[in-house]
Parts: sequence; structure tokens; C-alpha cells
Amino acid sequence: TQLLEQSPQFLSIQEGENLTVYCNSSSVFSSLQWYRQEPGEGPVLLVTVVTGGEVKKLKRLTFQFGDARKDSSLHITAAQPGDTGLYLCAGPRYVNNNAGNMLTFGGGTRLMVKP
Amino acid sequence: NAGVMQNPRHLVRRRGQEARLRCSPMKGHSHVYWYRQLPEEGLKFMVYLQKENIIDESGMPKERFSAEFPKEGPSILRIQQVVRGDSAAYFCASSPKASNQPQHFGDGTRLSIL
Repeated sequence: TQLLEQSPQFLSIQEGENLTVYCNSSSVFSSLQWYRQEPGEGPVLLVTVVTGGEVKKLKRLTFQFGDARKDSSLHITAAQPGDTGLYLCAGPRYVNNNAGNMLTFGGGTRLMVKP
Repeated sequence: NAGVMQNPRHLVRRRGQEARLRCSPMKGHSHVYWYRQLPEEGLKFMVYLQKENIIDESGMPKERFSAEFPKEGPSILRIQQVVRGDSAAYFCASSPKASNQPQHFGDGTRLSIL
């Protein structure tokens, strides 16, 4: 069973600071997805990275997929209180060595941005 | 998360009772996935269904839990004889026919066992 480990688990920063959260695995993933989840709601997809070394930007968020496709990072520039939430990475859950459509999730990074 | 509708949003049951959680996928989506989330944790896959078929239930406990997605109506996750450890948020997601398509999540059902 492939595992995704996220770090840090918790992060509390001041508005305007930069931060990076990580998603690591010993397994190769064909793609990784990043979600943001707010209290009382379901996860909302932010981005999917597919190619090793790929970098995608979404306003102040920068996502990178490792060259070996075993890890990914999310960098937030000039964090704002609205960025507060649980950030989850997820990848295809393999069944009999085939990537299925189900997802395996990391444990998440809970981010709090203080005004 | 408009589109995937889950109900009820909150469900309280006493130990030994049954819990039924419903999920209506987005229009045009025929693949449904159920996940469970314990407090302060990520989501854990439970079961993957298509209309009238269970495709993969490898993440679902062998006893007390069952799921269905009938030809008509919502998908149902059923938990019999609930225990305190079943307290969690249960999320449903759906995707279109093609595989490797993004999943859209509902806002979950929060199950509390007294």
C-alpha cells in the first residue's frame, strides 16, 4: 500500500509570511493532487500535477512535482487569513499494481494564518 | 461543493443502531466513492461503486458496513450496529464515466455515536 506523508502537520504563521508544505512518498505516483478543505466542508481540488518536475502556479500558490514523482510541495507566498485550512495531497490508489480511480490521501497540513 | 449532495449533514445515533448515509452524485457522473475522515486526519478510501456494481470495497470494514448504488436513486452507505469508533465524517465523491477524472466531493455527513 502506497503512503503519502505530509509535513508539517500543523503550521501557524502571520499574515504576509511565506510557507512551504510537503508531501512525500517512497512510491512513484502517476499524478498527485492537492486539495484544500475548510471546516464543515468537503475537499476542493486545487491542482493536479502529472509530469515529473512540473511546476504549476495558482495565484500565490506554487505547486511542484518531484522529478522522480515521489514527492510534491506547495508554496504559498504572502499568506493571507483566507488561506487558512487543511491542505491535503492525494494520489491514485493502486489496485493490483494498476492505478485505480480511487484516491489515497496524506494526513494533511493544517494551516492557520493570523491577521 | 455544489453538485454532490450528501444527507443528512449531521447524524446522531446510539450504539447498536443503524446509520444510513446518502449521496447523490453530480449530474452525469456514474462513479461514486466513499471516504471516511477521522478528526485531524486525512481521508481514507472505503468503497468505489458504479451503477448497480461495487468495483472496489477494499477499504471498507468487513463487518457492519455495506454500500450500494442502485440504478435509480442515491448511493447509500449503511452502517449496522454502530459503535463509538464509527464516529467520523463520511465523504462521498463522484466522477464522470472516464477514469482518471477529477473527483468532486460533497460536504460530508458527520456521524456522532452516543
